[in-house]
Amino acid sequence: KAGVTQTPRYLIKTRGQQVTLSCSPISGHRSVSWYQQTPGQGLQFLFEYFSETQRNKGNFPGRFSGRQFSNSRSEMNVSTLELGDSALYLCASSLDGGSGNTIYFGEGSWLTVV
Amino acid sequence: GEDVEQSLFLSVREGDSSVINCTYTDSSSTYLYWYKQEPGAGLQLLTYIFSNMDMKQDQRLTVLLNKKDKHLSLRIADTQTGDSAIYFCADGPGDTGRRALTFGSGTRLQVQP
Repeated sequence: KAGVTQTPRYLIKTRGQQVTLSCSPISGHRSVSWYQQTPGQGLQFLFEYFSETQRNKGNFPGRFSGRQFSNSRSEMNVSTLELGDSALYLCASSLDGGSGNTIYFGEGSWLTVV
Repeated sequence: GEDVEQSLFLSVREGDSSVINCTYTDSSSTYLYWYKQEPGAGLQLLTYIFSNMDMKQDQRLTVLLNKKDKHLSLRIADTQTGDSAIYFCADGPGDTGRRALTFGSGTRLQVQP
């Protein structure tokens, strides 16, 4: 059974540009969450999607957005990139995001903003 | 809000046991998790414990949960150099509708040969 797949693994963008990251959850998992990891702030929750609907959102500005497709694959987008957006972006999947789920992570997408 | 705290660093000798501790504040979590992160990698789910359990053993890993004190620990028996990594404690979605994991800051485990 394939794990959580994230693409691209590494990317470099310039300030002001926008970026789209992709996540394919484990087959059968319908909940996808996104987290940002930085040395200063640690692991912070961005948002969670289930059945193409955003159910939870963390405390990030509106430049951070996401969506989920009918096959449960998810994308997140960051517009007008800032230097502080440089981070590891991690995607997690679970069956339905409920309290009884186990949650698995992908390898992450390393974003560097220059 | 929810908070999870861990010590930042632990150094042990190869073959010894390692114990990583964690405290959390949200008592509604159903599962509590331990993840491992190696350099340049994502988060690997190591183990998890259901909130109504006191202990869970999984090969070299033992998780202890003291729900009264909201204290969680991960014991790694016969620690190997390959266990050197950052270990994150996380409390999972609970009954309050929160669907996010809340992570500690991570404990860097250094295993000396």
